[in-house]
Amino acid sequence: EPEVTQTPSHQVTQMGQEVILRCVPISNHLYFYWYRQILGQKVEFLVSFYNNEISEKSEIFDDQFSVERPDGSNFTLKIRSTKLEDSAMYFCASSELGGRTDTQYFGPGTRLTVL
Amino acid sequence: AQSVTQLDSHVSVSEGTPVLLRCNYSSSYSPSLFWYVQHPNKGLQLLLKYTSAATLVKGINGFEAEFKKSETSFHLTKPSAHMSDAAEYFCVVSDLGGSYIPTFGRGTSLIVHP
Repeated sequence: EPEVTQTPSHQVTQMGQEVILRCVPISNHLYFYWYRQILGQKVEFLVSFYNNEISEKSEIFDDQFSVERPDGSNFTLKIRSTKLEDSAMYFCASSELGGRTDTQYFGPGTRLTVL
Repeated sequence: AQSVTQLDSHVSVSEGTPVLLRCNYSSSYSPSLFWYVQHPNKGLQLLLKYTSAATLVKGINGFEAEFKKSETSFHLTKPSAHMSDAAEYFCVVSDLGGSYIPTFGRGTSLIVHP
């Protein structure tokens, strides 16, 4: 069964450094998402992406964040200058159709630790 | 506006006994509701979803959930727990309120004792 993959599984970085989290969505899916989960808190929506554009973004997704689909398979989340509070598990997801009834398929996550 | 409350952060059951994971939602519109499961070091996997068809929804691995509009609930049940059911479970709501951005509950950790 096809699945969403994410690399790396764990990323440790120094405050102020740039990080790029990578995701390979399911190949025939058109909608892509990033979520984060700070330890002990809820999973929070960051951004959705369709047709090479951001569809929606939350208030968390400020100018420090950016997303890109650099080629036909990868979907990346970049944090330009990491802060301590960016430490979290970051999940990528993809869906075929988008919309409120469509199923999103999630990757295993990347644990980001900012020191 | 939409919100989700998972009433229990941890639920502990013995193998072979029933499972009940509670979820209450708030939605201004007709919601779609989902249950996801997350095993350690794995992504979130869809168990089942409700999208305004039958109110009793059957999912994978013997789980089911019933949408009760009058109680604004979407509790997850399973008649008999298995050791492999031990995981984190998330209730998710998505409605028509201007976007399809889903809202997650805090999660319930299911512990299964032999």
